[in-house]
Amino acid sequence: GAVVSQHPSWVICKSGTSVKIECRSLDFQATTMFWYRQFPKQSLMLMATSNEGSKATYEQGVEKDKFLINHASLTLSTLTVTSAHPEDSSFYICSARSDRDDGYTFGSGTRLTVV
Amino acid sequence: GQNIDQPTEMTATEGAIVQINCTYQTSGFNGLFWYQQHAGEAPTFLSYNVLDGLEEKGRFSSFLSRSKGYSYLLLKELQMKDSASYLCAVRGPSNYQLIWGAGTKLIIKP
Repeated sequence: GAVVSQHPSWVICKSGTSVKIECRSLDFQATTMFWYRQFPKQSLMLMATSNEGSKATYEQGVEKDKFLINHASLTLSTLTVTSAHPEDSSFYICSARSDRDDGYTFGSGTRLTVV
Repeated sequence: GQNIDQPTEMTATEGAIVQINCTYQTSGFNGLFWYQQHAGEAPTFLSYNVLDGLEEKGRFSSFLSRSKGYSYLLLKELQMKDSASYLCAVRGPSNYQLIWGAGTKLIIKP
């Protein structure tokens, strides 16, 4: 079945630094990638939607200059958290929509802790 | 507006049956998904309904009534490993985005 590899699975960084999270579709082409964040005991919150080769569409309240999304190819999308602050600590998950079916495949998630 | 409601928490006994309901009010409908999520992990796909009726897949079944804006996930022969959050999500008509419910935390007791 479809697999999305997301890494790192966890990262600890200092305030003010940047962190890049990668999601790679291993056996299919991800025409659309969704990036979510999830706080403890809460549901998924969509941050942005990106289509290969075009700029990401950010949800209201999400700072596009802080959360940089790149979807340069059909198999790779990245989320960079710039100038991270402790309030950015969260679980970040990507989800790819396949070009061959109607399914959505999730990455395994990245636990970001900013200290 | 967009709204998806599901109970916050449910408790059931190992070996029993539990039904998790989901009601939705969305501007457009292009399918309903159920996902299972264990704490600290990413969601995993359980079922997809786009037409009215019951879809059965092993111990899990999902039902949809588009006219009522209603779905349920039925879990049979509950096992301890079924303790997780169950997320209902509706796909809207544009850009394939999923609109997520807050999730139902299911607690299984021996």
